[in-house]
Amino acid sequence: SAVISQKPSRDICQRGTSLTIQCQVDSQVTMMFWYRQQPGQSLTLIATANQGSEATYESGFVIDKFPISRPNLTFSTLTVSNMSPEDSSIYLCSVRGGFGTDTQYFGPGTRLTVL
Amino acid sequence: GDSVTQMEGPVTLSEEAFLTINCTYTATGYPSLFWYVQYPGEGLQLLLKATKADDKGSNKGFEATYRKETTSFHLEKGSVQVSDSAVYFCALSAVSGNTPLVFGKGTRLSVIA
Repeated sequence: SAVISQKPSRDICQRGTSLTIQCQVDSQVTMMFWYRQQPGQSLTLIATANQGSEATYESGFVIDKFPISRPNLTFSTLTVSNMSPEDSSIYLCSVRGGFGTDTQYFGPGTRLTVL
Repeated sequence: GDSVTQMEGPVTLSEEAFLTINCTYTATGYPSLFWYVQYPGEGLQLLLKATKADDKGSNKGFEATYRKETTSFHLEKGSVQVSDSAVYFCALSAVSGNTPLVFGKGTRLSVIA
């Protein structure tokens, strides 16, 4: 299994500002994903973070709003830009374990509140 | 495309009751199937998985059997505890392998003493 840490664990931000969330994995992984979980809701995939190239975004999510970096096989960041109260959610980093496995592991999440 | 359907919650049970959370799927080929659990204030944890038909995944007293004929992967536990209160997600991994898991909407379980 992979051990995943996220920073910050929670934050309260003002409307119009941006927040960058970091995801660090203790081993090299093939795939990294970012999810959003709105209060009481299921998971929504934002994008797949690709190492060395632009992220692949799901329908309804755009790079200008959620820029993602993945400089190597163990680290990724998600920025939530120009925030509004509707962005208040839990943001989860997820990874697919080493080569040849199909199990996904999740970080503890970042709980974001936008005022 | 691939999809997962799980029973609507919330489910409220008394301690020591029997639990079943239904999960059915639609997929091509033979996907791997998973149950994840999310305790309050935490991320998702893998609870159990099964990779082929008739496999039974088990962990912490929970079990689920991969039923190809009914395209189901129902989660069961014989005697729930208050500490099992959480949200449970059923998921599948597409056969192609290079795509994220497909999740159901989650079922909230509350166990009361």
